[in-house]
Amino acid sequence: RKEVEQDPGPFNVPEGATVAFNCTYSNSASQSFFWYRQDCRKEPKLLMSVYSSGNEDGRFTAQLNRASQYISLLIRDSKLSDSATYLCVVGGGATNKLIFGTGTLLAVQP
Amino acid sequence: DAGVIQSPRHEVTEMGQEVTLRCKPISGHNSLFWYRQTMMRGLELLIYFNNNVPIDDSGMPEDRFSAKMPNASFSTLKIQPSEPRDSAVYFCASSSARGAGEKLFFGSGTQLSVL
Repeated sequence: RKEVEQDPGPFNVPEGATVAFNCTYSNSASQSFFWYRQDCRKEPKLLMSVYSSGNEDGRFTAQLNRASQYISLLIRDSKLSDSATYLCVVGGGATNKLIFGTGTLLAVQP
Repeated sequence: DAGVIQSPRHEVTEMGQEVTLRCKPISGHNSLFWYRQTMMRGLELLIYFNNNVPIDDSGMPEDRFSAKMPNASFSTLKIQPSEPRDSAVYFCASSSARGAGEKLFFGSGTQLSVL
């Protein structure tokens, strides 16, 4: 089993739609959680950290469920510019390093 | 701030040749990471340094891969001899914290093709 698993997609959604991605992780000792965004042929960039109480940044909401070992990302009112690959990242525990999921591809259609 | 700088951007080489990838982290960052990205396996951590010291190299595929960080502003990843299965995008990233706690800043990557 992979340490961090994501649905690869693609998720094809119309502009204005709400879309949600889930990610599961296997290491119950994990302590840090992030969502990164990667545009085609570019480097990954931090989108947002994920806190235990859940957090929101504009149209983006991230949540953590430690009991079920998954994190989620919700994007409201999708824009064309949201089209990218979204990487789930989990860190901490005994290895104390960040593990990336393989990413979920989002394509927002006009 | 120049960000993390990697060179070369693209490298095409023949099987058996030595390949050296270079990275300059953000000034003041004390952690440096080398990742490899492929379609099949996604982003894999190869090795990371903290204060120029290798902390975890368990992700280095085999002895053909080696990494050094002679000072706080420079690191290299070397593959000798290279093989076609090494073809991937290699990213360097730096952080102001040790290990898994803080934001990573990635360079633009080196696209490596081994023929």
